[in-house]
Amino acid sequence: GESVGLHLPTLSVQEGDNSIINCAYSNSASDYFIWYKQESGKGPQFIIDIRSNMDKRQGQRVTVLLNKTVKHLSLQIAATQPGDSAVYFCADPRGGADGLTFGKGTHLIIQP
Amino acid sequence: NAGVTQTPKFRVLKTGQSMTLLCAQDMNHEYMYWYRQDPGMGLRLIHYSVGEGTTAKGEVPDGYNVSRLKKQNFLLGLESAAPSQTSVYFCASSYGFGYEQYFGPGTRLTVT
Repeated sequence: GESVGLHLPTLSVQEGDNSIINCAYSNSASDYFIWYKQESGKGPQFIIDIRSNMDKRQGQRVTVLLNKTVKHLSLQIAATQPGDSAVYFCADPRGGADGLTFGKGTHLIIQP
Repeated sequence: NAGVTQTPKFRVLKTGQSMTLLCAQDMNHEYMYWYRQDPGMGLRLIHYSVGEGTTAKGEVPDGYNVSRLKKQNFLLGLESAAPSQTSVYFCASSYGFGYEQYFGPGTRLTVT
């Protein structure tokens, strides 16, 4: 079965607001996670990653939080812009015997 | 670097026809992958390769074959296309197991 899963298939936010996209995982041994962004008509692209020895990691306008107690991670996007409109996937690169396991994705919709 | 490239970008097949999708990467990655992406299903792994001359089955391998004769190329073949194989196909590569995957732009295949 799926080892990572996103909570909402669609998230709609106002331009300029902060966005929070959530993801749950089931494997307690998972120690590394990646967030990917997939714009319409393109392949997924790496945004940010986090290892299990960290609770938080920040990038440019993005922050990933990891809660190992409840096996949950979130992607926070500050001051959401139209260019942030995409499908966001969390992934466990070591989730399966063959490697990367993806969640189904959350479609972030930006309202003007 | 071009990264990961895929050819063709679009293709329409009739049921029963065959075709080969080509993936090429210039990052000297050992691992390569073929995924399909269908609405609401996320990315599903078809086949993957851990090095030149090796291939392995992923989550949904039926109806597909692959070959990795050269390290930089990974070919996906459909011997007898079926409408259920209508999808967007993504190729990816990575340095090794558990590392970030780099994705190509995708091939949109329609089987009528």
